[in-house]
Amino acid sequence: AQSVAQPEDQVNVAEGNPLTVKCTYSVSGNPYLFWYVQYPNRGLQFLLKYITGDNLVKGSYGFEAEFNKSQTSFHLKKPSALVSDSALYFCAVRDIASGTYKYIFGTGTRLKVLA
Amino acid sequence: GAVVSQHPSRVICKSGTSVKIECRSLDFQATTMFWYRQFPKQSLMLMATSNEGSKATYEQGVEKDKFLINHASLTLSTLTVASAHPEDSSFYICSGTSGRYNEQFFGPGTRLTVL
Repeated sequence: AQSVAQPEDQVNVAEGNPLTVKCTYSVSGNPYLFWYVQYPNRGLQFLLKYITGDNLVKGSYGFEAEFNKSQTSFHLKKPSALVSDSALYFCAVRDIASGTYKYIFGTGTRLKVLA
Repeated sequence: GAVVSQHPSRVICKSGTSVKIECRSLDFQATTMFWYRQFPKQSLMLMATSNEGSKATYEQGVEKDKFLINHASLTLSTLTVASAHPEDSSFYICSGTSGRYNEQFFGPGTRLTVL
């Protein structure tokens, strides 16, 4: 079965420091991977995606993610965290095997950037 | 990216009332729409998938007579919570996609509170 794991419920980082939010996946074929951010009482905002091509994907608000096939990971990174980055982050994989556009979401990681 | 809207953004109702939530794709034709439910500090739970002109496909454990989904056009899907009760209080998020995209586009969410 396809799955996505976000091993950390919460990540704390000081403002200005680099941040990493971890995501690993398990799929039967080539993965379509996504990162979204959610602010309180808001929907999901798209950050970036990996479909094919370069393993390093650059996205919105200075975020990037590296697709690592051997480690089946797609960690979200940012070189210098801002307090405004504090939010809930979701990793998702598109369930290709279902023949639909269904996503499998991770459980989410709450990022807290401390001033 | 494509834009999805939801209306209303917030609704408070009495127990036993039926509530309708609209999800619209504003600048694309959404052949497929998804409805999610999110409990506080939790991930998104897929409730159902709807394809335009077809009956929705509900996930296991979701009562289709309770959560009525209509996808009558390529730009509109509605979720009706029939005879809502306090345990139906939640944050409901819709998303849409079509064959030209590899991803889903999410609405801003609707906060339902049943008293």
